[in-house]
Amino acid sequence: RKEVEQDPGPFNVPEGATVAFNCTYSNSASQSFFWYRQDCRKEPKLLMSVYSSGNEDGRFTAQLNRASQYISLLIRDSKLSDSATYLCVVQIFGNEKLTFGTGTRLTIIP
Amino acid sequence: GAVVSQHPSWVICKSGTSVKIECRSLDFQATTMFWYRQFPKQSLMLMATSNEGSKATYEQGVEKDKFLINHASLTLSTLTVTSAHPEDSSFYICSATTGTGFYEQYFGPGTRLTVT
Repeated sequence: RKEVEQDPGPFNVPEGATVAFNCTYSNSASQSFFWYRQDCRKEPKLLMSVYSSGNEDGRFTAQLNRASQYISLLIRDSKLSDSATYLCVVQIFGNEKLTFGTGTRLTIIP
Repeated sequence: GAVVSQHPSWVICKSGTSVKIECRSLDFQATTMFWYRQFPKQSLMLMATSNEGSKATYEQGVEKDKFLINHASLTLSTLTVTSAHPEDSSFYICSATTGTGFYEQYFGPGTRLTVT
């Protein structure tokens, strides 16, 4: 079983729609959680950290369920510029290493 | 701030030759640098963790004699792919962080290596 699993997609959604991605992680010692965004042939960029209480940044909302070892990302009012691959990333407490999921590819259709 | 550069951005080399990739933190001192590899449609896989002045820690399955990492200063780490083969063709990305525990990792733009 992979340490971090994501639905690879692709998700093709119309502009303005709401889309949600899910991610599960296998190591219960995971302590920090993040969503990164990666554009084609580019480096990943931090989109947002994920906190236990859930957090929101503009159109983006992240949720964490530690009991189910599950993380989600919700994008509202999607824009064409949201087209990218979204990477779920976890970090184990006391370890600098980041473990990346395989990513979910999103394409916003005009 | 927190800019990381990589050089070269892309390179094509012949099988059997060696290629060096540089990773620099431009506006901060990086206590730790990481090297990742990403094959098409796959995730980033950590190859090694590098701390300035000490030997790199390689992930399981990564050949340390093939992927030589040098972290000579707080702003520069290099990855040398020795005796490159076509299966080494990949996107190599470095990242740098300013501390231990969780500090945001700042990623370089990546180096696309093609071995012919």
